[in-house]
Amino acid sequence: GAVVSQHPSRVICKSGTSVKIECRSLDFQATTMFWYRQFPKQSLMLMATSNEGSKATYEQGVEKDKFLINHASLTLSTLTVTSAHPEDSSFYICSARDPDKSYTFGSGTRLTVV
Amino acid sequence: EDQVTQSPEALRLQEGESSSLNCSYTVSGLRGLFWYRQDPGKGPEFLFTLYSAGEEKEKERLKATLTKKESFLHITAPKPEDSATYLCAVRPNFGNEKLTFGTGTRLTIIP
Repeated sequence: GAVVSQHPSRVICKSGTSVKIECRSLDFQATTMFWYRQFPKQSLMLMATSNEGSKATYEQGVEKDKFLINHASLTLSTLTVTSAHPEDSSFYICSARDPDKSYTFGSGTRLTVV
Repeated sequence: EDQVTQSPEALRLQEGESSSLNCSYTVSGLRGLFWYRQDPGKGPEFLFTLYSAGEEKEKERLKATLTKKESFLHITAPKPEDSATYLCAVRPNFGNEKLTFGTGTRLTIIP
């Protein structure tokens, strides 16, 4: 089946620094990828839709200057959390539409800002 | 606005005790309803996609059904390894490919 690889799985960074999270579709091409944020014991909150070769579409309330999304190829999307602060600590998950018309998710990235 | 409500929020069952999880939805035309399983610290794992009322799909001890207003995930004779959070999501007919998720049901199977 379709596989979406997400790295890193865990990252700890200092407040004020930037962190990049990668999301790759391993065996299919994904023109559209999605980035979610999940708080403990809560559901997935869509942050933005990433479109290959064009600007990402951000959901209302998501700061586009803080969460930079780049989708430079049909298999790679990146999320950069800029000038991270403790309140940005969360679980970030990416997903992509796969050839079977379902949505395949990455394994998630636990970000801790200290 | 599309809405997805899952119940119960949490469910504890004895091993072998069958039950059902509910997903009620309001959407401007349903293009697909998705069920996922999520283990702690992991991304959601795809289970089923349902497209139209009356459709049913099965996988091992799980069976998903769909009506015009809700979907059920039936679990038959569950085992401890079925413990997880089960998420329901809908994709509307119109607009982009975004999914709207429910808050999930945390299922615990007690040996």
